[in-house]
Formats: sequence, structure tokens, C-alpha cells
Amino acid sequence: KAGVTQTPRYLIKTRGQQVTLSCSPISGHRSVSWYQQTPGQGLQFLFEYFSETQRNKGNFPGRFSGRQFSNSRSEMNVSTLELGDSALYLCASSLNQGAQEKLFFGSGTQLSVL
Amino acid sequence: QQQVKQSPQSLIVQKGGISIINCAYENTAFDYFPWYQQFPGKGPALLIAIRPDVSEKKEGRFTISFNKSAKQFSLHIMDSQPGDSATYFCAASSNTGNQFYFGTGTSLTVIP
Repeated sequence: KAGVTQTPRYLIKTRGQQVTLSCSPISGHRSVSWYQQTPGQGLQFLFEYFSETQRNKGNFPGRFSGRQFSNSRSEMNVSTLELGDSALYLCASSLNQGAQEKLFFGSGTQLSVL
Repeated sequence: QQQVKQSPQSLIVQKGGISIINCAYENTAFDYFPWYQQFPGKGPALLIAIRPDVSEKKEGRFTISFNKSAKQFSLHIMDSQPGDSATYFCAASSNTGNQFYFGTGTSLTVIP
């Protein structure tokens, strides 16, 4: 069974631009979560989607948004990029919704904002 | 505010030694405590997890010790191997919530 696939693997953008990251969960998994990973901060929760609905959102500004499609694939969008948005963005899928589920992470998208 | 505090930030251990990573939390609603292992260039992968109804859980060389009264839990890696060199994250969640709260990570290096 294929794992969680995130594209692209690397992205370089400039301040003010916007970016869209993509995540394909494990087949059959209906929940997709997004995390931002930075050195010293660990993993910070962005949001979770289940059956195309955002179930929970972390403490990030409205420039961070996402959506989930009917096939469970998910996209994350960051508008008006800032230097501080440089990070590894991780997508995780799980079979069902809920915070007691085992998360399967992709390898992430490394975003650099110049 | 970091809901789960993890220490140390980095750890160097000799091959065959014991690696110990500690985490502490404040939210008494947390009732599920997983540990994730991350190798360079990869996403984190679930290593082992514990619920507060037990004080210890062991899987191979990996053991979680849990102290409910102190609101602390720790990961012990026995007979540490160079292949264990990775970043380890503790996490916590509650069954009424919808997200995991991760620690800031510990970079473990096992020297041959």
C-alpha cells in the first residue's frame, strides 16, 4: 500500500507570494492533518480535514487555509508568504477522525521563503 | 504556549547505552501519549504509545514510563544502536480533542 505522498518536495518562494501544497493520503484513510515543523518549535498543528470538512484548526493566521476533496486528497494554501513561513510542512493521514488515531506522515514539503 | 515540554533538545549516547528522553504536560485531559521517530528527510513515524491506565509499556528495546501524578512520561531506549540516531517527538492528545500536541523534539545521536 502506498504511503502518504506530498508534492512538491521542495519549494522556494518570495515574500508576498502564495503557495499550494498537495497531499495524497493512504488509500482508505479519510482524515488528513497538516503540521508545520520548524527547528526548536517541533510540530505545530495547522488543521484537520475529515470527509471534506475542516474539523479542527490550530493557532495560525487566516493566511493558512486548506481543503479536502472527495477522494480524501488535501491541499494547503498559504497566501502572502512571510519569511517566518519557511518550514517543513507535513501532512498526516489516519483511517478515521480523532486524536487517538495513529498518524501516518508524508515526507513533507520544505518551503523556503526568501 | 507549549502544551508538551520535551527535554533534552539533543542527546549523544554510546552504542549499547541507554537513551532517556523526558516529556511533561499540564493538561490533565490528555489521555494518549505517543512517541514518534523521525529520520532525516522523512516524516515522523509512530514508535510506541501509552495510555495513563498503565505505568509502563515496552516494545522491544523501547519503553515508555508514565507518571500520572507528576504528569510526566519518558522514552527509554535500551542497548542504543547507531540506527536509532534520529529525532524523537513525544505527543499528547485527549479523546475529546481533535489534535496532537507535540514536544519540540530530541535529536539523538548514537556513537558507534
